[in-house]
Amino acid sequence: EDQVTQSPEALRLQEGESSSLNCSYTVSGLRGLFWYRQDPGKGPEFLFTLYSAGEEKEKERLKATLTKKESFLHITAPKPEDSATYLCAVQARGDYKLSFGAGTTVTVRA
Amino acid sequence: GAVVSQHPSRVICKSGTSVKIECRSLDFQATTMFWYRQFPKQSLMLMATSNEGSKATYEQGVEKDKFLINHASLTLSTLTVTSAHPEDSSFYICSARKMDTEAFFGQGTRLTVV
Repeated sequence: EDQVTQSPEALRLQEGESSSLNCSYTVSGLRGLFWYRQDPGKGPEFLFTLYSAGEEKEKERLKATLTKKESFLHITAPKPEDSATYLCAVQARGDYKLSFGAGTTVTVRA
Repeated sequence: GAVVSQHPSRVICKSGTSVKIECRSLDFQATTMFWYRQFPKQSLMLMATSNEGSKATYEQGVEKDKFLINHASLTLSTLTVTSAHPEDSSFYICSARKMDTEAFFGQGTRLTVV
């Protein structure tokens, strides 16, 4: 069974204080690893897809990286508007479903 | 990114009544749509997968007679919560994928059963 574990559960940052979120996964053949952002009371918003170890993707202050066992979401010089819950999900090869982690709730104070 | 519209965003219903939630992919044809349930401060729990023109596939522990899913076209799937009870109160979210690409999510529906 696919497993996705995200840490930490919550992260409080000062504006400008860079940090990283971790997503550890166990999957029988990775098809893709996905990062989403979810604001309270809203559906998840797609951020990145990573397919193979060593791959990196960037979008504004966010950068996602992937190894064979985990993915990191780096937030550089965060702003208050980066406050949200960040969800990680994996899809196994040959499967159509996504398995989600519990998320990391990031709060950025001005 | 692609747009998935979910309606309504909030609904309050009386215990014993049924509620229908719609999920539409606005700018692409979704071969597969997914329905999730999310409890406060928890992750998304997959309820069922619907493919256009065929019966939905339900996850273990999800009552198919209680949560009716219809995927009548490549752009519309509906979830009907039948004979709703307070324990069905939750945040329901749909997502749609075109072929084997990333999933895009609707804005979610907050269901409160009183």
